[in-house]
Amino acid sequence: EAGVTQFPSHSVIEKGQTVTLRCDPISGHDNLYWYRRVMGKEIKFLLHFVKESKQDESGMPNNRFLAERTGGTYSTLKVQPAELEDSGVYFCASSQGDSGELFFGEGSRLTVL
Amino acid sequence: QKEVEQNSGPLSVPEGAIASLNCTYSDRGSQSFFWYRQYSGKSPELIMSIYSNGDKEDGRFTAQLNKASQYVSLLIRDSQPSDSATYLCAVFSGTYKYIFGTGTRLKVLA
Repeated sequence: EAGVTQFPSHSVIEKGQTVTLRCDPISGHDNLYWYRRVMGKEIKFLLHFVKESKQDESGMPNNRFLAERTGGTYSTLKVQPAELEDSGVYFCASSQGDSGELFFGEGSRLTVL
Repeated sequence: QKEVEQNSGPLSVPEGAIASLNCTYSDRGSQSFFWYRQYSGKSPELIMSIYSNGDKEDGRFTAQLNKASQYVSLLIRDSQPSDSATYLCAVFSGTYKYIFGTGTRLKVLA
């Protein structure tokens, strides 16, 4: 069975441009999470979907970030316009139950120049 | 105070020794506790979960939880160079969020 997949694995864009990251969770996992790790810092929670609904988006840094999960399957995270401080690795994770194991994707490394 | 605190390390231990990794958390409503291992450039991988006070053993790994002290630890026995990685403590908090520590970098010296 496929794990959590993320695309692209690495994106290099200029400040002011737009980037869309995609996450395909494990099939059947209702819970989908986005996290971000900035160099040297802890993995920080961004938001949590349960199926297609945003359960918690308290970690989203600002309104330049927009996450969607249409149909409760894959999710996208759009950054528009990107700023230098948005650089980091964006991880997607999914889980079946509320407090069970998180399965992580390989991450999408974003570099904003 | 950070919600989940870990010493960033690096923690260096000789091959064959016991590596002890520690984590404290602030939310007393936290329900579940996890240790993830992350190799450089890779995604975090779950190695241990613990839900109740006491010890839980799995092979060379032992997780210890003390909810009264808000403390969780991971012991790695007979450490191997392949254990060299960053170990992330994660807590499923009372607000239904997974909160991660900064991670402890472990170096096992051959």
